[in-house]
Amino acid sequence: ETGVTQSPTHLIKTRGQQVTLRCSSQSGHNTVSWYQQALGQGPQFIFQYYREEENGRGNFPPRFSGLQFPNYSSELNVNALELDDSALYLCASSLGTGANGNTIYFGEGSWLTVV
Amino acid sequence: AQSVTQPDIHITVSEGASLELRCNYSYGATPYLFWYVQSPGQGLQLLLKYFSGDTLVQGIKGFEAEFKRSQSSFNLRKPSVHWSDAAEYFCAVGRVATRQLTFGSGTQLTVLP
Repeated sequence: ETGVTQSPTHLIKTRGQQVTLRCSSQSGHNTVSWYQQALGQGPQFIFQYYREEENGRGNFPPRFSGLQFPNYSSELNVNALELDDSALYLCASSLGTGANGNTIYFGEGSWLTVV
Repeated sequence: AQSVTQPDIHITVSEGASLELRCNYSYGATPYLFWYVQSPGQGLQLLLKYFSGDTLVQGIKGFEAEFKRSQSSFNLRKPSVHWSDAAEYFCAVGRVATRQLTFGSGTQLTVLP
């Protein structure tokens, strides 16, 4: 139990639609990152939010966007869904981004299937 | 750019045998290294991490890993594997300052009775 909760756990969308995934970070954690894990692969970094500001982005197109709220919860939005967007989306939270060695905790993920 | 290589896609061991999973990384500064385990359909559970200090790191479930800077490696070990250890294992490296992780492609562990 990491204290990071994600919703929904599973969903099916049609190509071209839009989806919003949600993440509640562990209490007190002000940094949230999102990862995409395609079947049979390791997670890939999408972006990170620190104190409501985007703080780094991986190699993902602009149709992947995010938001962090004052309570540090976060949303991942994907527009114009493509079949290749089918994956497990993982949220990770931690305290700060400095060199303090704090642990990064992952949620159970949201399974997205695009048909 | 940072990268992680896990050269073994699939490893099979007998219950009670020792285990070593290999991880090599490429990184231009002080790395922040992790091992995570993932059971089917589940999220990632942290086994252990290296941030600084002692290069031999102890983790949960009897796992340990050794950071070898000269070899750019962070191999995971366990002296005696249990059937419940069957899962996929991921090595990851991150910038200390940002916590943005780069993962390897994973090693699938099968444990024979």
